[in-house]
Amino acid sequence: GAGVSQSPSNKVTEKGKDVELRCDPISGHTALYWYRQSLGQGLEFLIYFQGNSAPDKSGLPSDRFSAERTGGSVSTLTIQRTQQEDSAVYLCASSFPGQQYEQYFGPGTRLTVT
Amino acid sequence: AQSVSQHNHHVILSEAASLELGCNYSYGGTVNLFWYVQYPGQHLQLLLKYFSGDPLVKGIKGFEAEFIKSKFSFNLRKPSVQWSDTAEYFCAVKRNTGRRALTFGSGTRLQVQP
Repeated sequence: GAGVSQSPSNKVTEKGKDVELRCDPISGHTALYWYRQSLGQGLEFLIYFQGNSAPDKSGLPSDRFSAERTGGSVSTLTIQRTQQEDSAVYLCASSFPGQQYEQYFGPGTRLTVT
Repeated sequence: AQSVSQHNHHVILSEAASLELGCNYSYGGTVNLFWYVQYPGQHLQLLLKYFSGDPLVKGIKGFEAEFIKSKFSFNLRKPSVQWSDTAEYFCAVKRNTGRRALTFGSGTRLQVQP
């Protein structure tokens, strides 16, 4: 079946511009996660959605970052007034709820801020 | 704060050599443990996972990992590597309370020379 999809695959933007990154989770997965992978570093948790519960935003690095999930499916990560340090690969993952379920990752969006 | 350490950042092996990649975590409670792999140009995918039971878990492609609770470790092993194992390997931990997202190590880049 279809996996997690993300768009765009690559995004180059100028410093100060806003960007939106999209994630389409696997159908039926109610849990959705955003991570960031910076060059030479591991994956850093950003935000987590589970069903209709309030999202866990504890990983967002600043108030320039926000995310929403509409209808319990598609999610959009928005970065306002982008900075060069925002350059990274942004990964989305989804899973069934519950501890025992693994997360499935999308291909990521490579964001470059010039 | 919870952290995951992967001490080997870059490992170079010849084909048929044995592999062991270290992973240690710092969290005193119950955890679920994962190894993910990212082949060049591909998504992150799950290699193996530990939730409970036998601390020696077997994954895909001949990989295995052993959970040693007293050492807070979950090292990845493979008795004989192949050129196709060239990839980046990430250890990840998920607590069974609180945040549901994964905490990742910084990754180990494995290069297998033919």
